[in-house]
Amino acid sequence: DGGITQSPKYLFRKEGQNVTLSCEQNLNHDAMYWYRQDPGQGLRLIYYSQIVNDFQKGDIAEGYSVSREKKESFPLTVTSAQKNPTAFYLCASSIVARSNYEQYFGPGTRLTVT
Amino acid sequence: DQQVKQNSPSLSVQEGRISILNCDYTNSMFDYFLWYKKYPAEGPTFLISISSIKDKNEDGRFTVFLNKSAKHLSLHIVPSQPGDSAVYFCAASGTGNQFYFGTGTSLTVIP
Repeated sequence: DGGITQSPKYLFRKEGQNVTLSCEQNLNHDAMYWYRQDPGQGLRLIYYSQIVNDFQKGDIAEGYSVSREKKESFPLTVTSAQKNPTAFYLCASSIVARSNYEQYFGPGTRLTVT
Repeated sequence: DQQVKQNSPSLSVQEGRISILNCDYTNSMFDYFLWYKKYPAEGPTFLISISSIKDKNEDGRFTVFLNKSAKHLSLHIVPSQPGDSAVYFCAASGTGNQFYFGTGTSLTVIP
């Protein structure tokens, strides 16, 4: 079955710790994305990658970092510099990073930082 | 600044009736629009899309209408079913690689 997996579903961390969220896809998609969803807000783009070893900042990249060493994987690190890290994080992919291709989403990771 | 707006946070509809979800956008350069459906604790799933060269796209019970002059799109679900109860997001994109999402409308279909 092709799809996007995100693990874990729920993640708890202490303030001041970096945490890495996993995202893997077996759809053979070139482009991958990270979004953040907060209550009452739409999905906001954190980072996206059009191809291996390439990534660009989205609207809210501050306090986050990513890597794209393999086509299938696009991990997101939430650093201690992110002021409000508690949120629902969604990873997505699309065939290519063009505006007329829909994105496929993973199930999400809910991160709680206390 | 929110470029895509869904002004109704929630909507309740009787089973069998029509559900109409609305979305407004501000950027006239947007030329591709999508609707996603999301259940709690799950990722959004793609529902239907429309290009700016069309004003209507239909897929089964779902129809999306685009009014470019008003910068408005709507999703019609006919007939509505209890399984349609979910949060619906509209999204828009233009010449760049980025999609802009609305804040979502929570639809409840009452049996």
